[in-house]
Amino acid sequence: DTGVSQDPRHKITKRGQNVTFRCDPISEHNRLYWYRQTLGQGPEFLTYFQNEAQLEKSRLLSDRFSAERPKGSFSTLEIQRTEQGDSAMYLCASTVSMDTGELFFGEGSRLTVL
Amino acid sequence: AQTVTQSQPEMSVQEAETVTLSCTYDTSESDYYLFWYKQPPSRQMILVIRQEAYKQQNATENRFSVNFQKAAKSFSLKISDSQLGDAAMYFCAYSADKIIFGKGTRLHILP
Repeated sequence: DTGVSQDPRHKITKRGQNVTFRCDPISEHNRLYWYRQTLGQGPEFLTYFQNEAQLEKSRLLSDRFSAERPKGSFSTLEIQRTEQGDSAMYLCASTVSMDTGELFFGEGSRLTVL
Repeated sequence: AQTVTQSQPEMSVQEAETVTLSCTYDTSESDYYLFWYKQPPSRQMILVIRQEAYKQQNATENRFSVNFQKAAKSFSLKISDSQLGDAAMYFCAYSADKIIFGKGTRLHILP
């Protein structure tokens, strides 16, 4: 058990470019979450998966954001045509099931859009 | 829609003293979970304590305990014998399906 890993840890991009983040959850965890966190704020829910099924996507999320979890293993979060307002920490977390409720977080991927 | 509100952006407490962080939530569900998570500076978020809504007994984990008032939709965290290592952002969270977080309370420990 190596924990939740996220890659890259830091991404700097120019406005209008596409970026993709990857999350590898703890191997036996079937639920995977993506959150966005800005400085001094709480994690904002983006989307979550049960195995490979995307259960919900935040209504606040524009169509520029998409996430996948093929085969119920790792997950990717893609942001197309990035804007400066997308600059944030993108957190991935996983859990075995809702019964335990304990989310295990990765260290996050920090996005800076210039 | 479910919401989680933390009305105290920042709090300070003297080392070894007791502090209580407040949290209220809004839901129409009867079965759900409530959590407190801790995020130390530049470190990953970790679970502090959780409470199942169907349990009347308040959860306790060593120096951390909660006051769960289901009718009032209130879920406060009490930290006893505060230590320097308790300094962090504390997030209240709710889940009936997905897990949502409040905006957090920054806790300072004064030596």
